[in-house]
Amino acid sequence: GENVEQHPSTLSVQEGDSAVIKCTYSDSASNYFPWYKQELGKGPQLIIDIRSNVGEKKDQRIAVTLNKTAKHFSLHITETQPEDSAVYFCAASLYSGGSNYKLTFGKGTLLTVNP
Amino acid sequence: GAVVSQHPSRVICKSGTSVKIECRSLDFQATTMFWYRQFPKKSLMLMATSNEGSKATYEQGVEKDKFLINHASLTLSTLTVTSAHPEDSSFYICSATTILAKNIQYFGAGTRLSVL
Repeated sequence: GENVEQHPSTLSVQEGDSAVIKCTYSDSASNYFPWYKQELGKGPQLIIDIRSNVGEKKDQRIAVTLNKTAKHFSLHITETQPEDSAVYFCAASLYSGGSNYKLTFGKGTLLTVNP
Repeated sequence: GAVVSQHPSRVICKSGTSVKIECRSLDFQATTMFWYRQFPKKSLMLMATSNEGSKATYEQGVEKDKFLINHASLTLSTLTVTSAHPEDSSFYICSATTILAKNIQYFGAGTRLSVL
């Protein structure tokens, strides 16, 4: 099965700085890589995603890069704000049979943006 | 769009009782729904995959008689924790996929279950 490693587990930055979270995956058949933001006591919220046929995707202050050869992908947040503070999860999607795709999550990164 | 509603948000029950959690897709038809469990400061652990009209597929180590899943319609899946015990206390989260984008999962807000 798929295995996703995520680093760092905690990240503290000053407001306005950039934050980078990195993930690696093991199964080259994985073809979709979403990033979720989870605030305390809430469900994960999809913030950006990338498919395996794309190398980079950007949405305002958030960008994701994918290196299929190396099997790693990264989340970049620029001009961080205190409201960006949350736990961020990367995931890799792998076909699991029938019409189903299964997500394997990284262990999460607690991002703290200090005012 | 793609809103998933989960109810209740929090439930406290006595040991030995059963608890039902509902997961609804509000503005789309969800052929597949997923149920996850999350321990404090941990990642999401997939419990089962539920397809409408079919029996759920459980992950290894998840007791199907303990965690009953029903997916009777394209907008509703339920998870029933039977004969709950304190060790079942956890954060349970559902997600759903649309017919057109089967690998994009939209998550509910989660249910905090506390078994006394």
